[in-house]
Amino acid sequence: DSGVTQTPKHLITATGQRVTLRCSPRSGDLSVYWYQQSLDQGLQFLIHYYNGEERAKGNILERFSAQQFPDLHSELNLSSLELGDSALYFCASSVGAEPYGYTFGSGTRLTVV
Amino acid sequence: ELKVEQNPLFLSMQEGKNYTIYCNYSTTSDRLYWYRQDPGKSLESLFVLLSNGAVKQEGRLMASLDTKARLSTLHITAAVHDLSATYFCAVDPRIQGAQKLVFGQGTRLTINP
Repeated sequence: DSGVTQTPKHLITATGQRVTLRCSPRSGDLSVYWYQQSLDQGLQFLIHYYNGEERAKGNILERFSAQQFPDLHSELNLSSLELGDSALYFCASSVGAEPYGYTFGSGTRLTVV
Repeated sequence: ELKVEQNPLFLSMQEGKNYTIYCNYSTTSDRLYWYRQDPGKSLESLFVLLSNGAVKQEGRLMASLDTKARLSTLHITAAVHDLSATYFCAVDPRIQGAQKLVFGQGTRLTINP
């Protein structure tokens, strides 16, 4: 157990729907990073939050949004889902605002049908 | 834009043999990470290389970093079946405000008895 908790582990949903993925960082970590892993795009950085504030955005679609709450857990919201959104979504956490010492969660496998 | 390229992308080798995975990146950075991923699983941190000439070893794996050549290598010595996995390198571009890792495509390593 890495200490980074992601729920749910698996999610199957229909096109056009909206889902929320949740991530609880390791105790003491202030940063949460979200990544998408798909066969065609590989591992792509989506977004980074540090202590509740958005710090950086990567290749995140406008249909996707995220936030980090005061208790430091983070949620990734995916809406108007398309077949191509099917992927593994990972979050990672680290103590500071730099990605040194990332710890990855076990991921949420999203399947859009 | 930072690009990270690994080669080979697929590697099938016999137990007991030695081989090297290469990771080239396109812009200056002195922070490079190696991860291991088993099928459907999370990413496990293997090595963190933080300076030019850094070399780290753990068991049958050894990683090195040449920041001038923008090249890192992951060397496998006397491979065993348990090392079968996908290996990723990732580079921290150290761009202020862009705290993220840029991953290579991954090298799928299969070790046959």
